[in-house]
Amino acid sequence: QKEVEQDPGPLSVPEGAIVSLNCTYSNSAFQYFMWYRQYSRKGPELLMYTYSSGNKEDGRFTAQVDKSSKYISLFIRDSQPSDSATYLCAMSMYSSASKIIFGSGTRLSIRP
Amino acid sequence: SQTIHQWPATLVQPVGSPLSLECTVEGTSNPNLYWYRQAAGRGLQLLFYSVGIGQISSEVPQNLSASRPQDRQFILSSKKLLLSDSGFYLCAWRDTGGGEYGYTFGSGTWLTVV
Repeated sequence: QKEVEQDPGPLSVPEGAIVSLNCTYSNSAFQYFMWYRQYSRKGPELLMYTYSSGNKEDGRFTAQVDKSSKYISLFIRDSQPSDSATYLCAMSMYSSASKIIFGSGTRLSIRP
Repeated sequence: SQTIHQWPATLVQPVGSPLSLECTVEGTSNPNLYWYRQAAGRGLQLLFYSVGIGQISSEVPQNLSASRPQDRQFILSSKKLLLSDSGFYLCAWRDTGGGEYGYTFGSGTWLTVV
């Protein structure tokens, strides 16, 4: 079993829809949770960073962590064609010393 | 501000040829540095990471090697490339100061071994 599981998609939704992207994990020691966005042929860029359980909102993006279920989500409201990218979840045990474990990424396409 | 530079952007190399990819970081000291490979349509595979000059940890045994000759310089090398070495190579750094930051990635190198 992989430490982090993520549905590869592809996921295609119409412009303006709410998008829900999810990951599950098996290591209960993970405390730091991240979402990266990767455009085609580019390096991933950090989108959201949360610590422990709860929600964090940044504009149209909301990251949600449920440690009891070992489940994290990223919600995108009012999705735009520019949101079309691959989204990777990632997590680590500590803030700086430990390695980050990545999901395999979900490819998202927003139809105009 | 911190920046990460990675070059070249694309590379086509014949099987059996050597490889050298370079990554440098500016605006930070003593960063953790990482080399990842991403095969087409697949996730990120950690190849090497370094917590200091001359300190290299290998995650996947293969014909690649890494070196960190200076604090903010990380080099990925191979003496003889294989077809299976094709992929998207990404360098990344992470702040060791305890801030709430994940990795910052470079722009990547697309390597095609022919």
